[in-house]
Amino acid sequence: GQSLEQPSEVTAVEGAIVQINCTYQTSGFYGLSWYQQHDGGAPTFLSYNALDGLEETGRFSSFLSRSDSYGYLLLQELQMKDSASYFCAVRDSNSGYALNFGKGTSLLVTP
Amino acid sequence: ETGVTQTPRHLVMGMTNKKSLKCEQHLGHNAMYWYKQSAKKPLELMFVYNFKEQTENNSVPSRFSPECPNSSHLFLHLHTLQPEDSALYLCASSQDGGGSGDTQYFGPGTRLTVL
Repeated sequence: GQSLEQPSEVTAVEGAIVQINCTYQTSGFYGLSWYQQHDGGAPTFLSYNALDGLEETGRFSSFLSRSDSYGYLLLQELQMKDSASYFCAVRDSNSGYALNFGKGTSLLVTP
Repeated sequence: ETGVTQTPRHLVMGMTNKKSLKCEQHLGHNAMYWYKQSAKKPLELMFVYNFKEQTENNSVPSRFSPECPNSSHLFLHLHTLQPEDSALYLCASSQDGGGSGDTQYFGPGTRLTVL
């Protein structure tokens, strides 16, 4: 089997930086993805890491350490609209070509 | 708009009803997925279709029956559901269902309530 662990809730102030961690246990690991979901909305793709290191896309960055089975999503210059749930997801040989998602981290950005 | 549409957006049904959820993708993708999202739970993969062939059935009860007539359309037929089946049902598509960086695009979901 496999499992993903991420914090259930995070609160941060507008303009700050927040890091959402994800640890996973899986076999035949392919890569780690991050998705954002606003209340009532559909999950939308943010980033994908297959190799160790940091991937940067604007205010969002994602990091992966395969040896530690660990990754994180870094959100900089937080804005109120960043309040949403953030899911890490892994694709591995056990799940075929589909993604398996963590339970999600609810981020609340306050003024 | 992600290029994936779902109808209906909301559905209320009794346990003896039969209904169908529809998903359509306009992205030219070859893989389509059904997920169930319940409150306080992770997205649960239900079914995967790759090039119209079902490649994954994640131990889903038989009261849920998928159908994929072509690469652009995916249905989820529902019958004799239980109240615990109330959830948001999300459809997604991806380019080829196998690439290591295969991004999934989600539809807005159908909010299902079973009375």
